[in-house]
Amino acid sequence: NAGVTQTPKFQVLKTGQSMTLQCAQDMNHEYMSWYRQDPGMGLRLIHYSVGAGITDQGEVPNGYNVSRSTTEDFPLRLLSAAPSQTSVYFCASSPGDRVARGYGYTFGSGTRLTVV
Amino acid sequence: AQKITQTQPGMFVQEKEAVTLDCTYDTSDPSYGLFWYKQPSSGEMIFLIYQGSYDQQNATEGRYSLNFQKARKSANLVISASQLGDSAMYFCAMREGYQAGTALIFGKGTTLSVSS
Repeated sequence: NAGVTQTPKFQVLKTGQSMTLQCAQDMNHEYMSWYRQDPGMGLRLIHYSVGAGITDQGEVPNGYNVSRSTTEDFPLRLLSAAPSQTSVYFCASSPGDRVARGYGYTFGSGTRLTVV
Repeated sequence: AQKITQTQPGMFVQEKEAVTLDCTYDTSDPSYGLFWYKQPSSGEMIFLIYQGSYDQQNATEGRYSLNFQKARKSANLVISASQLGDSAMYFCAMREGYQAGTALIFGKGTTLSVSS
C-alpha cells in the first residue's frame, strides 16, 4: 500500500552540485510526472513519461533530466543545481488507460529542495 | 493565456459556514477533466473531487461539491459547513483530453482560512 514514494523528503545542496530525486510507484501505473511548486505559482510540470523508455518535456524542463528504465521508477536529476531550483518537487503517477477519473492521479509526499 | 485561473489568493470563512472557491478554465478540447486538490500545511496533495466535461450532473463528494458551468468555463468548489481542518491551500487543475495518462495543468491556488 505504498503508492508513490519520494526520497529524500528534504535536501540542501550547494550551487553546482548534482543530485537525483527518486520517485517509485508500486501500482503499475504507466504515466509518471514531475512537478515543482513555488510560492504563488501553483504546480508546474517539469517532465513526464507515458511508459518505460519514453519521456518528454513539460513546461519548465531546463536544468533537469529524467529517464524511465522501468515502469516503477522515474528519477529526476539536477546536473548542476542553481538557487532558482529551490522548490518543492512532487512526483505523480496515473494509469495509462482510459479510465480517466480523478482518483487516477496519485501524488508523492514531496521533496523540499534548497539550493544555497 | 492561463489555462486555469484562480482569482482568490486568500479566502476567510467561519466554522459551519459555506464557502465557494472560484476556478475558471480555458480549453478548446471538448473532452477534459477538472480536479480540485487540497494541500494542508503538511504539504501532501489530497484529491477532493473530479468533474468530467461530459458529466451531466455536478460532482459531489461529502461536503464538497463542484459548481460546473460549462458555458462560462467555470468549475467552482463549494465547501459546505466549513471545519477548522479545511484550512489549507486549494488547487484547481485540468486535464485536456480524456486519457488518464495526460498531465494536469494547475492553477496558482487559493488559501482558505477557517476560524472558530
